[in-house]
Amino acid sequence: AIRMTQSPSSLSASTGDRVTITCRASQDISNYLAWYQQKPGKVPRLLIHGASTLQSGVPSRFSGTGSGTDFTLTISWLQSEDFATYYCQQYYSYHSFGQGTKLEIK
Amino acid sequence: EVQLLDSGGDLVQPGGSLRLSCEASGFTFTTYGMTWVRQAPGKGLEWVSSISGSGRYTYYADSVEGRFTISRDNSKNTLYLQMNSLRAEDTAVYFCAKVNRDGYNYDALDYWGQGTLVTVSS
Repeated sequence: AIRMTQSPSSLSASTGDRVTITCRASQDISNYLAWYQQKPGKVPRLLIHGASTLQSGVPSRFSGTGSGTDFTLTISWLQSEDFATYYCQQYYSYHSFGQGTKLEIK
Repeated sequence: EVQLLDSGGDLVQPGGSLRLSCEASGFTFTTYGMTWVRQAPGKGLEWVSSISGSGRYTYYADSVEGRFTISRDNSKNTLYLQMNSLRAEDTAVYFCAKVNRDGYNYDALDYWGQGTLVTVSS
């Protein structure tokens, strides 16, 4: 099974900051990588698929890069509604998720 | 509008069985792969199982292989997860989810059900 490792596990930031979350796959997954946002008690929301394609309706301050084994999610200008937990997911071979990154207000 | 309605979660004793359902609407159900994902209390997301649009191909996480069975009834636009030999570690909210691209068995997951809680405890 492909293992996905996110870093950091938690992150404190302020509104207006630029933050980056990384995700590493245990083997080459090409660009079969998605990012999700989940708020407490809510359903996960798809942000990015294909490593860099923004899902319809997602603000352009979210962006994704990477290919192969190393990927990043960047939020360029943090808004209050962005404080949440973020997960990466590979779908190159079945599915597997990273352990999550909790983005908290500093 | 795409909608996924999960149901069937309950309190069940260890070793027991339960069947989850997910009623889909708003898209051509038969052409999309579907997936179950679970989330234990306070924990992250864990992929459980996936099925092709036709139902011919099924896939399972090692943690549930041999105990859980995914299926679908395309005449009823409904996805199922039969869970047998349940363990305490199966306690979680179970979400059904639709793959993003038509014709794919596994893919990014663009729509999710609201989740149904399964609690395994004596």
